[in-house]
Amino acid sequence: DQQVKQNSPSLSVQEGRISILNCDYTNSMFDYFLWYKKYPAEGPTFLISISSIKDKNEDGRFTVFLNKSAKHLSLHIVPSQPGDSAVYFCAAKDGNNNDMRFGAGTRLTVKP
Amino acid sequence: DGGITQSPKYLFRKEGQNVTLSCEQNLNHDAMYWYRQDPGQGLRLIYYSQIVNDFQKGDIAEGYSVSREKKESFPLTVTSAQKNPTAFYLCASSKGMVGDTQYFGPGTRLTVL
Repeated sequence: DQQVKQNSPSLSVQEGRISILNCDYTNSMFDYFLWYKKYPAEGPTFLISISSIKDKNEDGRFTVFLNKSAKHLSLHIVPSQPGDSAVYFCAAKDGNNNDMRFGAGTRLTVKP
Repeated sequence: DGGITQSPKYLFRKEGQNVTLSCEQNLNHDAMYWYRQDPGQGLRLIYYSQIVNDFQKGDIAEGYSVSREKKESFPLTVTSAQKNPTAFYLCASSKGMVGDTQYFGPGTRLTVL
């Protein structure tokens, strides 16, 4: 039962352009969403989050958009840099529950 | 420096042996978690603990056991009952549970030969 889906296993963009990573969820009880960035053989690091009461949260080059009616969120990275190359995981939490559900991840490659 | 440590980074064991993975945090976080990552899959929750001496099963607890005798430590034992133990194991912690960001350790890659 995959409640959080990242349908694109990989994405390749040119340095300086925008990277858009997408995430869909099925559980309408999710009310808090997070993006994590992961380098090979390392633990994920928290990147940015958004509560369901908002539709946008911005932090520097990173912006997360939430469309609750579509059960969809996206992470925008502008401008993309080679150091952004990593696997990005989308995660979602239900405020009444205690666990967090992760998507399968999208591998972003930013080419110089 | 505050953070989460996992040791060792790489671990090899023979089939049929139990193995314990270490996770320590000095962030004064109440909640701790164990996840497993397999290629092409997201992180799957094995066990979590909200408070000392208390823990709950996650989605894939079979073949694993944990203990939480100290706030700082949440060791995971991979038993011989776990059918596919070779994986990348990640420990995380958060200040509380609901809505709190989880912070991850560097992970341990377990290979069972």
